[in-house]
Amino acid sequence: DAGITQSPRHKVTETGTPVTLRCHQTENHRYMYWYRQDPGHGLRLIHYSYGVKDTDKGEVSDGYSVSRSKTEDFLLTLESATSSQTSVYFCAIRGPSGSSTDTQYFGPGTRLTVL
Amino acid sequence: ILNVEQSPQSLHVQEGDSTNFTCSFPSSNFYALHWYRWETAKSPEALFVMTLNGDEKKKGRISATLNTKEGYSYLYIKGSQPEDSATYLCALDRGGSNYKLTFGKGTLLTVNP
Repeated sequence: DAGITQSPRHKVTETGTPVTLRCHQTENHRYMYWYRQDPGHGLRLIHYSYGVKDTDKGEVSDGYSVSRSKTEDFLLTLESATSSQTSVYFCAIRGPSGSSTDTQYFGPGTRLTVL
Repeated sequence: ILNVEQSPQSLHVQEGDSTNFTCSFPSSNFYALHWYRWETAKSPEALFVMTLNGDEKKKGRISATLNTKEGYSYLYIKGSQPEDSATYLCALDRGGSNYKLTFGKGTLLTVNP
């Protein structure tokens, strides 16, 4: 395992409430990513980070914000959760060498249900 | 929007069969092609990263080839076993400084004993 944890692992919340998911790595990797996985859509990038306080949007960023105040932590926040955000969320980190053959390593996932 | 297509969507084979599936991608702006294996209720596990046209990678009974000029990669599994049952994902890296991946929707392989 690449030293990535996600918390919580499961969460049920109500529409309109804020939710924060945490990704923690022990690898000191620069690049971190948040994806969501939905049937029929595969993995889609929400936001990513290329360093402390450096973040950018992915393809499905509406309704989500992120923060990275430390190398090891990347937080994903749903400001006001909606039922369409019910999904499994995966965090990933990318290997440090900077070469084209670095791969992304995934955390265990967080299953979020918005009622 | 960059389209990464995988075919077939799903595949059922018998134990011992060899099988293969395809990942197609736009051949422009190619940097690297990643293959992942994803078992149900787990997280995706990296299999290969391929960068050069004509690349061939192998890991046990699984191998992959890459054609960047025509924009496709094949994944082969020789002598499929029930434990090979999983979704196989490919992902395109277009390069740039942030190493974002665009994933295909995957091929779900079921190997019947």
